[in-house]
Amino acid sequence: DTGVSQDPRHKITKRGQNVTFRCDPISEHNRLYWYRQTLGQGPEFLTYFQNEAQLEKSRLLSDRFSAERPKGSFSTLEIQRTEQGDSAMYLCASSLSGRGGDEQFFGPGTRLTVL
Amino acid sequence: DAKTTQPTSMDCAEGRAANLPCNHSTISGNEYVYWYRQIHSQGPQYIIHGLKNNETNEMASLIITEDRKSSTLILPHATLRDTAVYYCIVGGYNTDKLIFGTGTRLQVFP
Repeated sequence: DTGVSQDPRHKITKRGQNVTFRCDPISEHNRLYWYRQTLGQGPEFLTYFQNEAQLEKSRLLSDRFSAERPKGSFSTLEIQRTEQGDSAMYLCASSLSGRGGDEQFFGPGTRLTVL
Repeated sequence: DAKTTQPTSMDCAEGRAANLPCNHSTISGNEYVYWYRQIHSQGPQYIIHGLKNNETNEMASLIITEDRKSSTLILPHATLRDTAVYYCIVGGYNTDKLIFGTGTRLQVFP
């Protein structure tokens, strides 16, 4: 257990539905990251926050994806109008900005299956 | 695209040293080498990082060549629990994001 939690751990939805995932980082960490991982591939960066500010978004993050971190603590990732291609593991990580090497601590992930 | 090249898979006998190579020939002067691993169905786990000098911690050792174009992660006494995918990543000191490749799948056998 790294101290980063994600909810839910598994989500099955039908194509076209909206889904929302939550990530609770380690409490003193001010950076929070979202990644997506498909079978057989390494995780792909989606976006990251420093406190409540979203500082970078990948081109992978289409208009159907939105992420928030309203109070600089937990974060949510919403996918609207899900597609089968959105099926993946969604990973959240946190880090303490400025710490040597900026080690990222990952949560267990949310596995999304879109039928 | 990932800036590193790793073998797809490796085997190692339990109790022996596992040496995982990584090629990062385009690394720039201020970029670090990071290693993470991912055990099946878990999130990635940080192992070690380095810039120029060799590094050691309780998990592993990192050997970086003098020209910094390649490195080797050493697990000194591999156990079955070290079976995982190992990712070599190049990035800045305060890296904003990790660019993962496909990693090396290490299988430790009894």
